[in-house]
Amino acid sequence: QLQLQESGPGLVKPSETLSLTCTVSGGSISSGSYYWGWIRQPPGKGLEWIGSLYYSGSTYYNPSLKSRVTISVDTSKNQFSLRLSSVTAADTAIYSCARHDYATGWFDPWGQGTLVTVSS
Amino acid sequence: DIQMTQSPSSLSASVGGRVTITCRASQSVSSYLNWYQQKPGKAPKLLIYAASSLQTGVPSRFSGSGSGTDFTLTINSLQLEDFAIYYCQQSYSTPPTFGAGTKVEIK
Repeated sequence: QLQLQESGPGLVKPSETLSLTCTVSGGSISSGSYYWGWIRQPPGKGLEWIGSLYYSGSTYYNPSLKSRVTISVDTSKNQFSLRLSSVTAADTAIYSCARHDYATGWFDPWGQGTLVTVSS
Repeated sequence: DIQMTQSPSSLSASVGGRVTITCRASQSVSSYLNWYQQKPGKAPKLLIYAASSLQTGVPSRFSGSGSGTDFTLTINSLQLEDFAIYYCQQSYSTPPTFGAGTKVEIK
């Protein structure tokens, strides 16, 4: 059964870079049939797609965040990572990783999500 | 970006009842519409993809319909475990966008 788990600091200072890793188990990130994505949900607000990556390293990002986002992959560890630079309080959110079917566009399964708070 | 509007934002229903949730897109998304269920403290779970296809393992009491701009998620014979928040998501264009959610509560 495919499972995803996010990890990384729960507290980041304003203007610094948020870094999270998603570890995939029960399947290979290099299977070739899927993209792998990041989605966030600020407290009390809706879901926002951040970006997705193919195991080859090809990426596509939400234009609203593109200038600050980098998603990368480490196939040897079956992991992919998110970096979001120059964070502000508006970036406080639950960050989740998920498998992303490129053909139909659904996300499944998702990781449990991790709360990242931006505060000094 | 395509805006997704869900209605109602919340509803109360009884066990055994029927629930209908509507999702409207700001422009046509063809059939690129997916539905998710999220329970408190849990990750969202895919229920329906491509507007009407049931994800493997999802009970048949869940169904989806619609195309273009108007979509519906229906839950027949509501069970206790169905009380949750439901989200729609369009995957027709980048960026994929989500509705604000519909909370289904026990009456």
